[in-house]
Amino acid sequence: NAGVTQTPKFQVLKTGQSMTLQCAQDMNHEYMSWYRQDPGMGLRLIHYSVGAGITDQGEVPNGYNVSRSTTEDFPLRLLSAAPSQTSVYFCASRPGTPTYEQYFGPGTRLTVT
Amino acid sequence: AQKITQTQPGMFVQEKEAVTLDCTYDTSDPSYGLFWYKQPSSGEMIFLIYQGSYDQQNATEGRYSLNFQKARKSANLVISASQLGDSAMYFCAMRARDQGAQKLVFGQGTRLTINP
Repeated sequence: NAGVTQTPKFQVLKTGQSMTLQCAQDMNHEYMSWYRQDPGMGLRLIHYSVGAGITDQGEVPNGYNVSRSTTEDFPLRLLSAAPSQTSVYFCASRPGTPTYEQYFGPGTRLTVT
Repeated sequence: AQKITQTQPGMFVQEKEAVTLDCTYDTSDPSYGLFWYKQPSSGEMIFLIYQGSYDQQNATEGRYSLNFQKARKSANLVISASQLGDSAMYFCAMRARDQGAQKLVFGQGTRLTINP
């Protein structure tokens, strides 16, 4: 199993550009989430999904869209990039209860200039 | 609202000593769980240990143990016999139901440095 994969690893955007961060998992996990990690801070939840076709907002959803058309994929779209979105983005997945351990991808480092 | 507090921004410990990293939490959900993750300088998030709110015994995983004190709402991580490779950021996290959905909330982390 590849686990949770994220592409790209690094990305530089100009203010106002849009892009999609890709996330895929091959463990048939129901739950997938996107987090952002700002310097010196813990992770904050952006959006999450409890299954294909179902998504919901987390703590910091503004400026981001998600969709979940398949169990495997959970892309994160930045609609109009802003410098405040400079961060490291982590995708994670987990199976349903009773296992709560989240499996994290390697992260995408995004810089918006 | 769910909240995790880690009050130690940084800790310095001599190799082979035991170290305790503090974590307190707040939630109104009676069914919750507490995690510890390690983030080395390479950036990946590594799961270390998990404690459920109804678990009777403190969780242990090798050199890691979780000192769970429910009445005090604390879930401290204890690393025995520290090694140079333990130098990393450590995050405490809590899963709890918030507005109907299970969510994971992280603390701000503690940077642990092991000195030879």
